[in-house]
Amino acid sequence: DAKTTQPNSMESNEEEPVHLPCNHSTISGTDYIHWYRQLPSQGPEYVIHGLTSNVNNRMASLAIAEDRKSSTLILHRATLRDAAVYYCILRDNTGNQFYFGTGTSLTVIP
Amino acid sequence: NAGVTQTPKFQVLKTGQSMTLQCAQDMNHEYMSWYRQDPGMGLRLIHYSVGAGITDQGEVPNGYNVSRSTTEDFPLRLLSAAPSQTSVYFCASRIAGGSYNEQFFGPGTRLTVL
Repeated sequence: DAKTTQPNSMESNEEEPVHLPCNHSTISGTDYIHWYRQLPSQGPEYVIHGLTSNVNNRMASLAIAEDRKSSTLILHRATLRDAAVYYCILRDNTGNQFYFGTGTSLTVIP
Repeated sequence: NAGVTQTPKFQVLKTGQSMTLQCAQDMNHEYMSWYRQDPGMGLRLIHYSVGAGITDQGEVPNGYNVSRSTTEDFPLRLLSAAPSQTSVYFCASRIAGGSYNEQFFGPGTRLTVL
């Protein structure tokens, strides 16, 4: 059963902000929300994670809804190198199982 | 550091053949895992290990065996390959435990079963 729901694809103009949404209505109280991205022909790479509070790092920001049933990954200024499939993932409370969704394919337009 | 390495990069098997996909990491990570990625889909967890001698099943374990004799290596065995196992296989590792641990993924092995 799908644990996260994301749009199949999104487009953004270069140097503009991008908001990538994710729904996770069945999230449990101890599930962490992780975001990874996968560039073509590569393995996924970590972007950001959070539990309840909004998070910022050098790559992106993560905004988590108050009820935790949705979250949004924010890329502040999209570059061509940000074109990838972005996965919103729930990590179970043991930390041992990651549930990938189908991801959002981001196209960045020059 | 080489990070997470996988061999081979590509492999073609006939139905019923067996093979082992190799995965190694040089970061002294306790946790290692195997995923498969089918076309147009996200990754699904096959098996994982939290340390040498300890393995457990993930979301889609059927048809695959694993063992973990050392911290560095986590091979994935297909005993009798089937066309449904055609996929891209990714190995990952991270530090075990804690509230956050970034997973590091290998470059993948593309397997075709005819």
